[in-house]
Amino acid sequence: DTEVTQTPKHLVMGMTNKKSLKCEQHMGHRAMYWYKQKAKKPPELMFVYSYEKLSINESVPSRFSPECPNSSLLNLHLHALQPEDSALYLCASSLTGGSYEQYFGPGTRLTVT
Amino acid sequence: KNEVEQSPQNLTAQEGEFITINCSYSVGISALHWLQQHPGGGIVSLFMLSSGKKKHGRLIATINIQEKHSSLHITASHPRDSAVYICAPSDSNYQLIWGAGTKLIIKP
Repeated sequence: DTEVTQTPKHLVMGMTNKKSLKCEQHMGHRAMYWYKQKAKKPPELMFVYSYEKLSINESVPSRFSPECPNSSLLNLHLHALQPEDSALYLCASSLTGGSYEQYFGPGTRLTVT
Repeated sequence: KNEVEQSPQNLTAQEGEFITINCSYSVGISALHWLQQHPGGGIVSLFMLSSGKKKHGRLIATINIQEKHSSLHITASHPRDSAVYICAPSDSNYQLIWGAGTKLIIKP
């Protein structure tokens, strides 16, 4: 199984809502990533988890809260988002946090109204 | 100056043509990745290389570490190759430094 799955595929939320994005992989990878991608731009790294510990937080606002409950699962909790947070949110995983190939999920298209 | 420069930004070609996308970078790297993104978002890793040349089907990737340059070639291009191709070196912290991408359209 070389697949990274993400749910939901699409999400529309108001600025006062709380929602969560979910990412799952069963490849035994120990590094997992969240990226944010705006239209016609390359992905921007948000967070990296290595061995279930947060190793990189790229100065992301606290309205985004990552969680890694186990080595297969990565969540991104969303609260009090702004319309400019509307984007494609991509999850990826790699064998470890070193220079290994990253496997990407299909993404969650988020719209904040 | 961007750390990663890709050329061309846009490329339209006829089916069957040989395609070359170039990538130059200015930072020290541990490896270089080529990725493909189709409309709708999904990203697929095509190659990761740190020296020489790799081939997978109709795709070939080369890298010259001394010249800080990499190329992605597609032989016998097909409309299904239409996508954005992204060069992304990984730095000493193993984070990807994303190029702006090359939008490729192959016409039947």
